[in-house]
Formats: sequence, structure tokens, C-alpha cells
Amino acid sequence: EDKVVQSPLSLVVHEGDTVTLNCSYEVTNFRSLLWYKQEKKAPTFLFMLTSSGIEKKSGRLSSILDKKELFSILNITATQTGDSAIYLCAVEPYNFNKFYFGSGTKLNVKP
Amino acid sequence: GAVVSQHPSRVICKSGTSVKIECRSLDFQATTMFWYRQFPKKSLMLMATSNEGSKATYEQGVEKDKFLINHASLTLSTLTVTSAHPEDSSFYICSASNPSGRAKGVSYNEQFFGPGTRLTVL
Repeated sequence: EDKVVQSPLSLVVHEGDTVTLNCSYEVTNFRSLLWYKQEKKAPTFLFMLTSSGIEKKSGRLSSILDKKELFSILNITATQTGDSAIYLCAVEPYNFNKFYFGSGTKLNVKP
Repeated sequence: GAVVSQHPSRVICKSGTSVKIECRSLDFQATTMFWYRQFPKKSLMLMATSNEGSKATYEQGVEKDKFLINHASLTLSTLTVTSAHPEDSSFYICSASNPSGRAKGVSYNEQFFGPGTRLTVL
């Protein structure tokens, strides 16, 4: 059964901490893995990963994919209260026109 | 727990026809469901928020007469694309909100996403 599992489900840190969010997947015909940040309305696209071992970086956020071990991590360094959100991981297979979303990690960054 | 399904997963239709997409929460009651449309570069746009038993709340710029939303029960919301045009071709994703504490084994994260429906209008 295809699935995407995120961990932890929730996380509370203090400003300045570094966090690592995990996403593991079992999806047939994997094409890409996407990370989104969801605050109030639509999830905001962060990264799309298709190749193993290549880190994608945007400011304090970075992500990497391991296609052998079937997981991805999203790192946030020097966290700020504005990073508080739910972070979603989704996997897209080839040819099936589907997204498999994880249940998300709820991050709370305290001042 | 917290499974959301969509039907159909893919639909191809002719221009001018109407298409209905269903979103179901399979193992929990969802008082609120959300409809999104995916754009190129994977961004998601919220189209509307659907509340059971009441009218949907549409986001600015979304035509309510074109995208009809019905949330008839706590487990089902439907999106009907009326008089579809090729520019409506997109990936439509729904999510369901879990009222905290009601679903077994479910975290208190806000929304659970369906697998999406690929609409192609010829």
C-alpha cells in the first residue's frame, strides 16, 4: 500500500533552535517528493526533490532526498516564530496523477 | 485513520460539459473541507472552504457559479466544474479538517489531504 509518513507529528522548539522534519514513503513509481508549509490558507510550496543526495536550499530551509532509503528531511536552522506552521510532505508517482500526502508535522516555535 | 478519498482520480471531458468531483473523509467526520487547485510549479491555490450544511466560502477571484460546492454530509463534499473549458484543466485536491479529539488515532493537525483529481478538458 502506497503511503507517506511524517514524523514527528508535532514539535515545540524555541527561537534559534534547529529542527529536522522527516518524511518517509512507500510509493510505487516514485517521481518526486514535495514539501509544503501550511499556515492559514493554501500550503505554500517549498521544495520539489527528484534526485537523491542533492540538497535544495532556500534561506534557512534545506531539504534532501534519499531514494535508496525512501525518505526526505527538511531542515530549518535558526528557527523563528514565523516558522510556526504545519509542514506537509507529498509524493507524486509517475502516471497516476495522484499525490500522497503525509499527515504533516506541526511545528511551534516559541519566542 | 484520517483517510480522505477523491473520485474520480482522473477525468477527461469535452468543453462545455460539467464535471463533478467527490471528496470523502472515510474514517472521520469532517465539518470543514477545503478545495484546492494546483498550478504549474506545484503551487496550491485555495478555491473555497466548504462547511457541512452551509454555503461554501469562496476565495477572491474564484467564480462560485462555475465551481459549485456542496457539503451535504459530514463525510462528503462535491465540487462541480460547470461548463468546463480547457483552461479549467488542472489538478484539484481536497482536504478535510479533523475536529480535534473526534477521530481515533489522529493527530491534531488541521487538514488531511485527498489524492487529487486530474481534470483534462478537451
